Amino acid sequence: DTGVSQDPRHKITKRGQNVTFRCDPISEHNRLYWYRQTLGQGPEFLTYFQNEAQLEKSRLLSDRFSAERPKGSFSTLEIQRTEQGDSAMYLCASSLIGQGDYEQYFGPGTRLTVT
Amino acid sequence: AQSVTQPDIHITVSEGASLELRCNYSYGATPYLFWYVQSPGQGLQLLLKYFSGDTLVQGIKGFEAEFKRSQSSFNLRKPSVHWSDAAEYFCAVGAGITGGGNKLTFGTGTQLKVEL
Repeated sequence: DTGVSQDPRHKITKRGQNVTFRCDPISEHNRLYWYRQTLGQGPEFLTYFQNEAQLEKSRLLSDRFSAERPKGSFSTLEIQRTEQGDSAMYLCASSLIGQGDYEQYFGPGTRLTVT
Repeated sequence: AQSVTQPDIHITVSEGASLELRCNYSYGATPYLFWYVQSPGQGLQLLLKYFSGDTLVQGIKGFEAEFKRSQSSFNLRKPSVHWSDAAEYFCAVGAGITGGGNKLTFGTGTQLKVEL
């Protein structure tokens, strides 16, 4: 078990550009979550998937944000027309629901800087 | 809506001293509670969790936490702190039937500094 991985680890982009992040969960984990963490704050929930279905989206997830999990395995988070306020750490987590393990395992995060 | 308060932004303790990090939650039903630790450049690592049963839970690295429903608290403790414990600590609450399987709400974190 290699844990949750995220790519890239760091991304610097100019305002107005689009960016895409990838998350690979622990294999066979059926739930996948995205959180955003800004400096001095705890992570804030953005959205989550059960298999390929996106079950909930936070109001933090504006129309410029879209997330997919096309085959119920890896997920992508895309931000269109980035703004400076999008600068944050984007964290992905996964869990296995249905076998009594509700623990969410987090990846190392993708740090986005919008200049 | 659920919420978590960590009243201490920064805490400094001497190595070998005891530690208690405070966490208060707000949630209408029985909460699912967690403590995570985050070191610089690292992801969040789960220290311990409470779902039900014994209100004193043991975790990794010698940490423990006690769930007190009457005080809506889930404080983290360690009897003797090591320099490697310096990190940021987050308390979180999960909701719903699947508890931690649903979204987590985190506190703002407590930054722990350990003096040698």
